[in-house]
Amino acid sequence: NAGVTQTPKFRILKIGQSMTLQCAQDMNHNYMYWYRQDPGMGLKLIYYSVGAGITDKGEVPNGYNVSRSTTEDFPLRLELAAPSQTSVYFCASSAIRGRSYEQYFGPGTRLTVT
Amino acid sequence: AQRVTQPEKLLSVFKGAPVELKCNYSYSGSPELFWYVQYSRQRLQLLLRHISRESIKGFTADLNKGETSFHLKKPFAQEEDSAMYYCALKESSNTGKLIFGQGTTLQVKP
Repeated sequence: NAGVTQTPKFRILKIGQSMTLQCAQDMNHNYMYWYRQDPGMGLKLIYYSVGAGITDKGEVPNGYNVSRSTTEDFPLRLELAAPSQTSVYFCASSAIRGRSYEQYFGPGTRLTVT
Repeated sequence: AQRVTQPEKLLSVFKGAPVELKCNYSYSGSPELFWYVQYSRQRLQLLLRHISRESIKGFTADLNKGETSFHLKKPFAQEEDSAMYYCALKESSNTGKLIFGQGTTLQVKP
């Protein structure tokens, strides 16, 4: 199993450009999440999905969009990139293990907006 | 409100010294807590969860409901323990969502 994969690993965008961060998992997990990681701020949840066709906003959704057409894929879309979106983005998926959830993370995408 | 606080941004210790990374939480009811670790240039990975009461890589964490804490401890730090550590609290919804603390960087000096 590849687990959770993310592409690209790095990207530099100009202000106003758009892009899609790809995320895929091969563990047949229903739950998937997008986080951003900023220094000293921890991880903030952007969007999440509890299954194909179902998405919902997290703590910091502004400026982002998601879709979940399949169980495997959960892309994150930035429509009009802004410097405030410079961050490291992590995708994760989870399933119930015993009585507990365990989240599995992708390797991250480092995005710079200039 | 559900919240996780890690009061230390950076904890620096010498190899062989004891380590305690602090985590406090705010939650009504029975919390479900985790510690995640991120080694340099690697992805986050689960270190341990309170429900399992396990010891991983010599680390343990005990849930103290009275003090609303879930501190991570290791009696003798190793250089390879240097990493970013996140404490996380599972939200009360059935979505598997986690609330993360701000993270603590552990630096183990030789």
